[in-house]
Amino acid sequence: SQQGEEDPQALSIQEGENATMNCSYKTSINNLQWYRQNSGRGLVHLILIRSNEREKHSGRLRVTLDTSKKSSSLLITASRAADTASYFCTTGPGYALNFGKGTSLLVTP
Amino acid sequence: KAGVTQTPRYLIKTRGQQVTLSCSPISGHRSVSWYQQTPGQGLQFLFEYFSETQRNKGNFPGRFSGRQFSNSRSEMNVSTLELGDSALYLCASSWTTGGPYEQYFGPGTRLTVT
Repeated sequence: SQQGEEDPQALSIQEGENATMNCSYKTSINNLQWYRQNSGRGLVHLILIRSNEREKHSGRLRVTLDTSKKSSSLLITASRAADTASYFCTTGPGYALNFGKGTSLLVTP
Repeated sequence: KAGVTQTPRYLIKTRGQQVTLSCSPISGHRSVSWYQQTPGQGLQFLFEYFSETQRNKGNFPGRFSGRQFSNSRSEMNVSTLELGDSALYLCASSWTTGGPYEQYFGPGTRLTVT
């Protein structure tokens, strides 16, 4: 399977706090992507990290990748209410994504 | 630049009927992928079209089919609808095939089969 398994399933924090979610996968990968889905903006690509990278940043997002443990983590710093969404990781090719149940993040004011 | 558009946004059909969903990709994008999203199975890849040819296919029965036109617009068809086909159908476009490339998703078509 090329889908990741996100953990925790649900996360509730207050605005300004950091949110960390994890992803585990089973097969060797070339890259791993994180996506976000909410009712307002739909499904949106966040960040892609290649297998030879260990860490990548994009704005308030920080993604790490540990290929030896087949795991990745997504850190959102200084969370905002607008970050409330489901977050998914996937290791499939760009055109054929398979998502699991994701991590449901709730950011309260 | 306009985003990916999908029509219709909502649809209610009866078991046994067929349905056609439409997707217009971002201008200049030539690859269109279709996905089915359900609470139980998550988001699953249906198929991908590039330059009017189906390049990749997921693990779905033959009742699910699609096509792509010369302007890159795509349609997917589901024949002999079953209750389990109730789902959010998303299409996504990217400028080329292969990968990894960021995919841009449309808002989806919510299909309810009764």
